[in-house]
Amino acid sequence: EPEVTQTPSHQVTQMGQEVILRCVPISNHLYFYWYRQILGQKVEFLVSFYNNEISEKSEIFDDQFSVERPDGSNFTLKIRSTKLEDSAMYFCASSGTVWYHSYGYTFGSGTRLTVV
Amino acid sequence: SQQGEEDPQALSIQEGENATMNCSYKTSINNLQWYRQNSGRGLVHLILIRSNEREKHSGRLRVTLDTSKKSSSLLITASRAADTASYFCATDTSGTYKYIFGTGTRLKVLA
Repeated sequence: EPEVTQTPSHQVTQMGQEVILRCVPISNHLYFYWYRQILGQKVEFLVSFYNNEISEKSEIFDDQFSVERPDGSNFTLKIRSTKLEDSAMYFCASSGTVWYHSYGYTFGSGTRLTVV
Repeated sequence: SQQGEEDPQALSIQEGENATMNCSYKTSINNLQWYRQNSGRGLVHLILIRSNEREKHSGRLRVTLDTSKKSSSLLITASRAADTASYFCATDTSGTYKYIFGTGTRLKVLA
């Protein structure tokens, strides 16, 4: 069964450093998403991406965050200057060809980001 | 309350019993999804139900949707220890490109 792959599974970074979280969505999917989950809390929407541009973003997704699909297969989330409160599990997801008729997202297994 | 709130927050049952989780939401939706998350792991899609559907089944799972009450329920029949996980509903609203997740129900099935 097709999978969404996220790397690394765990990343530890110093406060103020830049991190790039990587995702390989399912190959024929066109809609891509990043969510995050702070430990023990709810899953929060960050950003959706379609046709090489951001479709929607949340208040969390401020100027410190950016997304990119650099080569047609990878989908990355960059945090420019990490803060302690960015520590969370970050999930990438993709969905099928027509958003309205999608059969749900396929999520990756997540990257646990720890900012120290 | 926020879009997508599940109740109960936690549920503990014996293996073989049925588990029912509820989700309430505030605004009109296009679709509602249920996901499972094992501790510290990723989210697994269970069922998507559209706003014009009232009930859907998948194996031991049964989802109902009542748009007049803005609520959905997830029933797991004949539960197993392996069903122990957190269960989330997620709703989308017309004109948006995102699903909003609820707070989740932590289900524990005792062997």
